[in-house]
Amino acid sequence: ELKVEQNPLFLSMQEGKNYTIYCNYSTTSDRLYWYRQDPGKSLESLFVLLSNGAVKQEGRLMASLDTKARLSTLHITAAVHDLSATYFCAVDNAGGTSYGKLTFGQGTILTVHP
Amino acid sequence: EAQVTQNPRYLITVTGKKLTVTCSQNMNHEYMSWYRQDPGLGLRQIYYSMNVEVTDKGDVPEGYKVSRKEKRNFPLILESPSPNQTSLYFCASSLWRGSGKNIQYFGAGTRLSVL
Repeated sequence: ELKVEQNPLFLSMQEGKNYTIYCNYSTTSDRLYWYRQDPGKSLESLFVLLSNGAVKQEGRLMASLDTKARLSTLHITAAVHDLSATYFCAVDNAGGTSYGKLTFGQGTILTVHP
Repeated sequence: EAQVTQNPRYLITVTGKKLTVTCSQNMNHEYMSWYRQDPGLGLRQIYYSMNVEVTDKGDVPEGYKVSRKEKRNFPLILESPSPNQTSLYFCASSLWRGSGKNIQYFGAGTRLSVL
């Protein structure tokens, strides 16, 4: 059974600081996704990582994937209040050439303070 | 406007009374999926569909049915709802072409309470 673990689960940051959210998973996969959810809202896709070594950046967020370590990171640079949200990673564990069977991490609640 | 539409947004029902939550997308996406979100448990996939007439189980399919007779619609059916199915449900769709276009678009959510 695939397990996906995020840490930390709660992250309180000061504006302007950098931090990293980690997403570890227990079985082989080379497809990993990051999502954002604002309080009381739906989810928004952030990044799609489809191979070992993949790196994607959007604004102050950068995501990477190391399939050998079964680890993805979401790095936050110079945090601003607007980044306050819950961040989820999800691993595609359909296997082989199939896709679309997703297991999510527990989510990381990020709060950015002035 | 590109969107995934779920109905109803809120539903209170009683144990055993069959219900259907509809999901429709207007983006001609092949892939559609249902998730439930529970406090402390995060999101869990219920069922997903790669295309018309192709569906498969996610991590928590028990107590749910789905069908994909048309590309745009992917209803979630609870034949005999129970209180442990009280949850927030999300439908999502995606092109899923394997070229980095696997961006899922989510509906607004359906909050279901089973008494």
